[in-house]
Amino acid sequence: DVKVTQSSRYLVKRTGEKVFLECVQDMDHENMFWYRQDPGLGLRLIYFSYDVKMKEKGDIPEGYSVSREKKERFSLILESASTNQTSMYLCASSLQELFGYTFGSGTRLTVV
Amino acid sequence: KQEVTQIPAALSVPEGENLVLNCSFTDSAIYNLQWFRQDPGKGLTSLLLIQSSQREQTSGRLNASLDKSSGRSTLYIAASQPGDSATYLCAAPTRQLTFGSGTQLTVLP
Repeated sequence: DVKVTQSSRYLVKRTGEKVFLECVQDMDHENMFWYRQDPGLGLRLIYFSYDVKMKEKGDIPEGYSVSREKKERFSLILESASTNQTSMYLCASSLQELFGYTFGSGTRLTVV
Repeated sequence: KQEVTQIPAALSVPEGENLVLNCSFTDSAIYNLQWFRQDPGKGLTSLLLIQSSQREQTSGRLNASLDKSSGRSTLYIAASQPGDSATYLCAAPTRQLTFGSGTQLTVLP
């Protein structure tokens, strides 16, 4: 089975800090995604990547950037964390849309 | 842009009941439709994936159907158990994966 691993289950960071969320998949998937999930707002796409060094903005990219230097790793970067970025962050990967998506276990980020 | 709607938003049933969760989508040009389960504070676990050329998929007590022409999918859970309590999400990818807002299911012992 494909495994998507998010490096941290819980993180607490201070306002203004630069925050890195890491995601690694082990099945050579082309596509990787970052979502955030908030009560009442559901899952919203932040950024996605269809190939190494390639990135595309999702629905809510403001305040975030991403990096994909290797195929298996997709990093989400909060350049200057703010309290409104407190959320559950979910990473996903897929070989192609046809074959469905696999999600990681999520990172609960709290910005104080 | 794809829109996905799930009804009901919440459902509470006694143990042993059969139940149906509904999902509708606006853009029928989907690659597939995927049902997920999410436990509180956890990630998403894939339950069933129905390819666009298929009509249904089964896994144990779960059966999911897909009708692209009407823009609908249903998830049928047979003989529900308290361990089935979770939020169930459907997702329909066109170029990106679009989620419904989920159905929060509680199965009472």
